[in-house]
Amino acid sequence: DAKTTQPTSMDCAEGRAANLPCNHSTISGNEYVYWYRQIHSQGPQYIIHGLKNNETNEMASLIITEDRKSSTLILPHATLRDTAVYYCIVRALTGNQFYFGTGTSLTVIP
Amino acid sequence: KAGVTQTPRYLIKTRGQQVTLSCSPISGHRSVSWYQQTPGQGLQFLFEYFSETQRNKGNFPGRFSGRQFSNSRSEMNVSTLELGDSALYLCASSLELFGTGSGELFFGEGSRLTVL
Repeated sequence: DAKTTQPTSMDCAEGRAANLPCNHSTISGNEYVYWYRQIHSQGPQYIIHGLKNNETNEMASLIITEDRKSSTLILPHATLRDTAVYYCIVRALTGNQFYFGTGTSLTVIP
Repeated sequence: KAGVTQTPRYLIKTRGQQVTLSCSPISGHRSVSWYQQTPGQGLQFLFEYFSETQRNKGNFPGRFSGRQFSNSRSEMNVSTLELGDSALYLCASSLELFGTGSGELFFGEGSRLTVL
């Protein structure tokens, strides 16, 4: 079963905010939401994670809805180097397995 | 601080052979997990080791196995290789068991396996 649902692809103009959504409707109360990105031919890179509250770091902001069934990753000022596949991950509810989302291929357009 | 190191970076094998991939985690990290990435299936979890014990396992056949040593270094082995095993195999390390909220995963650059 899919643990997260993300749009397949998105475009964003350089300098604008990129908002990447993720649906995780079966998340349980003690599971965290993690976001990673993968630039072509490289290993995935950690971006941010959160449990309930909104989080912000030097790379991005994470907005989690009050019911925790969805979240949005915000890159405030997208650059060409932000072009990558973005994965939303939650810890599996049962079976102690990990699932990456389908990933969103973000293209930042000059 | 050195990152996660995977060896070899590239290798070519033929069907029926076996392969062993190595991963050295970041110093101090006790958890090592392995992932398979293919164009068709994306990133799929293989297994996770923590303090030399396999803690979690993905939905892969028994041909895929792994182990972790006392220094946290890990190896994974694939026996009786099939064409479909061609993939990028990624290793990730973390301080604690992934998903506990205490830290994130740090990935290596991967080992690209081609099975002919």
